[in-house]
Amino acid sequence: DIPMTQSPSSLSASVGDRVTITCRAGQDIRTYLNWYQQKPGRAPKLLIYAASTLQSGVPSRFTGSGSGTDFTLTISSLQPEDFATYYCQQSYFTLMYTFGQGTKLEIK
Amino acid sequence: EVQLVQSGGEVKKPGESLKISCKGSGYSFTSYWIAWVRQMPGKGLEWMGIIDPNDSDTRYSPSFQGHVTISVDRSINTAYLQWNTLKASDSAMYFCARRGEGLVSTTYYYFTDVWGQGTTVTVSS
Repeated sequence: DIPMTQSPSSLSASVGDRVTITCRAGQDIRTYLNWYQQKPGRAPKLLIYAASTLQSGVPSRFTGSGSGTDFTLTISSLQPEDFATYYCQQSYFTLMYTFGQGTKLEIK
Repeated sequence: EVQLVQSGGEVKKPGESLKISCKGSGYSFTSYWIAWVRQMPGKGLEWMGIIDPNDSDTRYSPSFQGHVTISVDRSINTAYLQWNTLKASDSAMYFCARRGEGLVSTTYYYFTDVWGQGTTVTVSS
C-alpha cells in the first residue's frame, strides 16, 4: 500500500487564524488525494477530492493544493466549528485508499 | 435522502463470532462500492476493504485479509462485516462508507462521500 504521512500531528490555533496541514505520499499519486474532517464520535466528512476540488456544501475557506507527493489543506479563517481532526487519503492505488494518521486541530 | 445506516453497538467475548451490517437507502445500492473503515479508540482511520454490491467483488487491505469477511446482500441493500473469532484487539468503531466518484476535466476521482454512523464493537472477557 501507499503510506501517507501528515504533519503536524496536532496543532493549536485561534478563531480567525489561517492554518495549513501537510500530507506527504510515499510515492507519486498525481492528484488522487482527498481530505476529510472528523469530529469526536462522528463519521468523517469529505471536504476536498482530486487534491483541490471542494465537495458540494463545504465552505470556501477550505482549500487544497498539491500534486505528486506533497499536498496541503488550508483553512483561511478558522471558525469554531472547524476544530476537529483532519485526514488525508490517497485514491491512486486501485480500491485500496489509505489514510494519513490525522492532524488534530485544537483551540489555543 | 442518501444514507447508510449501521447496526447497533455490540459487546462480545473473545472467541465469539460477529456480523455487523450497513444498509443503504436513497440511491442505487448496486451502483456504488461499499468500504469498511476501522477506528480504534483514540486512533486514526484504517482502510479495511471494499466490496462491489453488483457482483460481490471484494478487495481487502493486507492488514485485514484473512481476519474479517466482507459480504453483501443486494436484495436488501445491505453490506456486512464479519468476524469468526473475535479478539480483544478488534475492539473499535467500524464505519461503512460509499465510494463516490467525481469527474474533473476528463479524469474520474474516487472518494468516500456517504458514511454510516459507525458501529462500536467491544470485545472483552
